Amino acid sequence: GNSVTQMEGPVTLSEEAFLTINCTYTATGYPSLFWYVQYPGEGLQLLLKATKADDKGSNKGFEATYRKETTSFHLEKGSVQVSDSAVYFCALLLNFGNEKLTFGTGTRLTIIP
Amino acid sequence: NAGVTQTPKFQVLKTGQSMTLQCAQDMNHEYMSWYRQDPGMGLRLIHYSVGAGITDQGEVPNGYNVSRSTTEDFPLRLLSAAPSQTSVYFCASSYRQAPGQFFGPGTRLTVL
Repeated sequence: GNSVTQMEGPVTLSEEAFLTINCTYTATGYPSLFWYVQYPGEGLQLLLKATKADDKGSNKGFEATYRKETTSFHLEKGSVQVSDSAVYFCALLLNFGNEKLTFGTGTRLTIIP
Repeated sequence: NAGVTQTPKFQVLKTGQSMTLQCAQDMNHEYMSWYRQDPGMGLRLIHYSVGAGITDQGEVPNGYNVSRSTTEDFPLRLLSAAPSQTSVYFCASSYRQAPGQFFGPGTRLTVL
């Protein structure tokens, strides 16, 4: 079956630190990959996505590269801010056209000033 | 555009009661879906719809019904609520050719 594995949280970093949140996947085909962010008390927002191998998704200073050889889609940011504190979800979409997302369990990130 | 809207934001039910969670979108999206979010388990798909009149089951459909009579609305019905249905419920929608979804703000449901 299809699955997404994220690094265990919570993750606590100081402001301006470098961020990496690991995500690996298992899929029976060639998925599209996504990162979503959930701020406290809100719904999920699409942060970035990549639809094929070697694509790099980027948004708001966050980046993730679709690595087919390592089945990974790690989220990175060079300098985090307090406002980046949120829960981050990695997800895959295998069957293009029916929108059945498979989510990881989420990683809670807290940035301290 | 209002995007994806959900009502109510919070709800408390007693075991055995029924209720409908409302979801609406004004973006003319073909796809709509319902997820539940539980601690340590991410989001799990309950039901989804690829267009008006068409629905299908997701990963955890038991205890829930859906219908899609219009493009805009996709209500989720709990016929006989159980404590195991205590969760946060999210509705999502998207265009068929644009993967990645728009999510509503969620409904926090507690079943006593």
